[in-house]
Amino acid sequence: AQRVTQPEKLLSVFKGAPVELKCNYSYSGSPELFWYVQYSRQRLQLLLRHISRESIKGFTADLNKGETSFHLKKPFAQEEDSAMYYCALSSANTGNQFYFGTGTSLTVIP
Amino acid sequence: DTGVSQDPRHKITKRGQNVTFRCDPISEHNRLYWYRQTLGQGPEFLTYFQNEAQLEKSRLLSDRFSAERPKGSFSTLEIQRTEQGDSAMYLCASGRGGGFYTFGSGTRLTVV
Repeated sequence: AQRVTQPEKLLSVFKGAPVELKCNYSYSGSPELFWYVQYSRQRLQLLLRHISRESIKGFTADLNKGETSFHLKKPFAQEEDSAMYYCALSSANTGNQFYFGTGTSLTVIP
Repeated sequence: DTGVSQDPRHKITKRGQNVTFRCDPISEHNRLYWYRQTLGQGPEFLTYFQNEAQLEKSRLLSDRFSAERPKGSFSTLEIQRTEQGDSAMYLCASGRGGGFYTFGSGTRLTVV
């Protein structure tokens, strides 16, 4: 069965410190992994996807198939990064529906 | 194009009543998804349409839930005989496949 695990519900870091939001998944096929972000009072929006191998707002995420992880990283956190972050898994075999983790609430302390 | 629109934003209803939510996707998107999100949880998949065809439904979608997408445009999600456990945020998303989806702001349902 598909499952996405985000072990940290809450994460606080100081401005300028590195941040890592953990995501582990279980899936028997070849999934696509995503990070979605929800800023206060805004809708859920795509942050990045593993296929793109891009950096958005300074965030990167590398898919580690051996460890079945897709951790989100940023070397220097900014106050505007404070938000709810969701890791999600999708597969064409399942109609591209998303399986979301429970989310991590990131607070960047000024 | 103003993105994915959902109406209403909030709905308070008494237990046992029926409610209907509407989602207007981005016009050129052929795929439409409904998700439900409860407090402290990530969104959970309910159902999905490709054009007007409902291709998949989650086990979460009991017989009291029904969704339609006539003509492959807007979609409605109806909950009959609402229960307190139905209280949640109902999210709609649309896309063209390949993982790029745009979410709406959601409809928050409170069953009292």
